[in-house]
This record gives sequence, structure tokens and C-alpha cells, in this order.
Amino acid sequence: DQQVKQNSPSLSVQEGRISILNCDYTNSMFDYFLWYKKYPAEGPTFLISISSIKDKNEDGRFTVFLNKSAKHLSLHIVPSQPGDSAVYFCAASASNDYKLSFGAGTTVTVRA
Amino acid sequence: DSGVTQTPKHLITATGQRVTLRCSPRSGDLSVYWYQQSLDQGLQFLIQYYNGEERAKGNILERFSAQQFPDLHSELNLSSLELGDSALYFCASSARGTHQETQYFGPGTRLLVL
Repeated sequence: DQQVKQNSPSLSVQEGRISILNCDYTNSMFDYFLWYKKYPAEGPTFLISISSIKDKNEDGRFTVFLNKSAKHLSLHIVPSQPGDSAVYFCAASASNDYKLSFGAGTTVTVRA
Repeated sequence: DSGVTQTPKHLITATGQRVTLRCSPRSGDLSVYWYQQSLDQGLQFLIQYYNGEERAKGNILERFSAQQFPDLHSELNLSSLELGDSALYFCASSARGTHQETQYFGPGTRLLVL
């Protein structure tokens, strides 16, 4: 039962442009959301998180938006750089559950 | 570098065998989590420990077991291995193992069962 869904397996974007990654969830108990980036042969690296009491969180080039009513969050990367080429995972946790539930990931390719 | 270490990086073994994966959490972190990533799958939570005690269990097979030692390192034991157990196994750690905490991941152990 996939409670966190990333429906776009891949995304190609030109260097300098915006990358928008989307994530949908079904569990209404989720109230903390994270994005991780993963390079091949490495573990996931934490990027940015957001609590359900907020609708936006920004850290440098990365901004996460949360739409609770739509059960949807997105990650914006502006401007996209070649080093951003990686797999991005959306994850969520609920207040009654400490584990993270992950989406299947979106592979981002930044073209020069 | 997240500060979480995992050994070995790669492991090749045969069906029916038993292996042990090791994880050392970040300095100061009390909680350890184990996740499995199979081919074309997202990360699936297996089990969580906090300060030596099991705190939460996910979709962990009965053939798998884990423990966290007094020095806070953790081991994941996989026995009676099957071909389908081939996967990446990640360990993560967090400070208190509580809600709304970032989990920091190790580099993973790639297990291949032949």
C-alpha cells in the first residue's frame, strides 16, 4: 500500500531553469514531510523538510510547498544545476508513527 | 558525509545463508532505523531501535532480526536468504527517535543473493 506517491519517474530540465517535483500522499495522519536526494551508490541525503503547520519552507535554492487539503507537496529547485542530477525521494511521517514512508523517487536530469 | 557508517558496502552470498549487516549511528544519535530498497522500489521501513530497545516494526520478515548494542551500533541479521532478499539495505539514525526528526542515512549495504 503506497501511501506516498511520486507519479513522475523522471524529469529533464535545462540548467538554470526551475525543477518542480511533485508528491501526493493518502494518509491524512501524515504531518511531517521531507525530501531526500540520492546519488548512485550513496545513501539518501536530507534536503529539506516541512511540518504540516506550514505551507512553505525555503532553504537556499530549495523550496517545499505543502497543500494539505489536496494532500500534495512539491519541491522547487531554482536555478537547477548539473549537480542536482540525482534521484529525489519524498517521505512522510505521522505523529503516531516514527518511521518514514517513502515515494518511489523521481530521477532528475539537468541538461547543460 | 552523513556521519552514519555501514559495513560491508557489498555482500555476495548464496541462498540459504545468513549474513549480518552493521551500522554505526551519528555521534550522539540514540535511534537507529533499517530500511530496504529492492529493485525499482522505494525505501521500505524494516525496524527502529531507540537506546537499545526495539521501538517500531515495519514489514520485516521473520527471517530477519536486528538489535542495538550498548554502544548504540546496530546489526541487522538476515537468515535463510532467498533470491528476493537481494536489495540495498540502509541504516539511518536520529537524535531521539521521535516524530518530526530528520533521519540521516548511511551509504547502504548492497546484498546480492545468488
